Amino acid sequence: DAGVIQSPRHEVTEMGQEVTLRCKPISGHDYLFWYRQTMMRGLELLIYFNNNVPIDDSGMPEDRFSAKMPNASFSTLKIQPSEPRDSAVYFCASIAWGNGELFFGEGSRLTVL
Amino acid sequence: SQQGEEDPQALSIQEGENATMNCSYKTSINNLQWYRQNSGRGLVHLILIRSNEREKHSGRLRVTLDTSKKSSSLLITASRAADTASYFCATATSGSARQLTFGSGTQLTVLP
Repeated sequence: DAGVIQSPRHEVTEMGQEVTLRCKPISGHDYLFWYRQTMMRGLELLIYFNNNVPIDDSGMPEDRFSAKMPNASFSTLKIQPSEPRDSAVYFCASIAWGNGELFFGEGSRLTVL
Repeated sequence: SQQGEEDPQALSIQEGENATMNCSYKTSINNLQWYRQNSGRGLVHLILIRSNEREKHSGRLRVTLDTSKKSSSLLITASRAADTASYFCATATSGSARQLTFGSGTQLTVLP
């Protein structure tokens, strides 16, 4: 199994631009999580899905952030418009029901200038 | 806010020594997990201990859990340079066993 796949690995963009981060979870995993990691705030849970349905989006910082999971094998996290304070590493992770172990992707490092 | 807080924030030891990292948390948990993160990489699961367990072993790793003190420790025995990484504890609450809250991490450096 290829594990959780995220793209792009690195993104540099200018303030005001739209950013789309993508994630392919491990096949058969029915939970998907989006985390953000910064030096100041550590790892923060943004949103998670169960069977493609958003369950808790209370960690999404503001309306500029949105996430979708149109099917079991694909999710996106979109920031529009982006701001410099959105610069962080964004991780996607998935888990199978009945299991406690989270599998993380390698992350998408976002820099907003 | 973060549920778990690791201590120390940074630890530097010589190869062959043991490394101990501690984690404290605030609310009742279903389980506590430890993850490792190499620089520039994603987190990797190391070990999970359930709230009704007190100690667990996996290879050179030993985890303890004291629910009365709301604390856990991770011991890495006979450390190697390849163990250099950040280590995070993560808690799952009873009400949301799939939703993990991560601590701030301990940066471990093992000197050859």
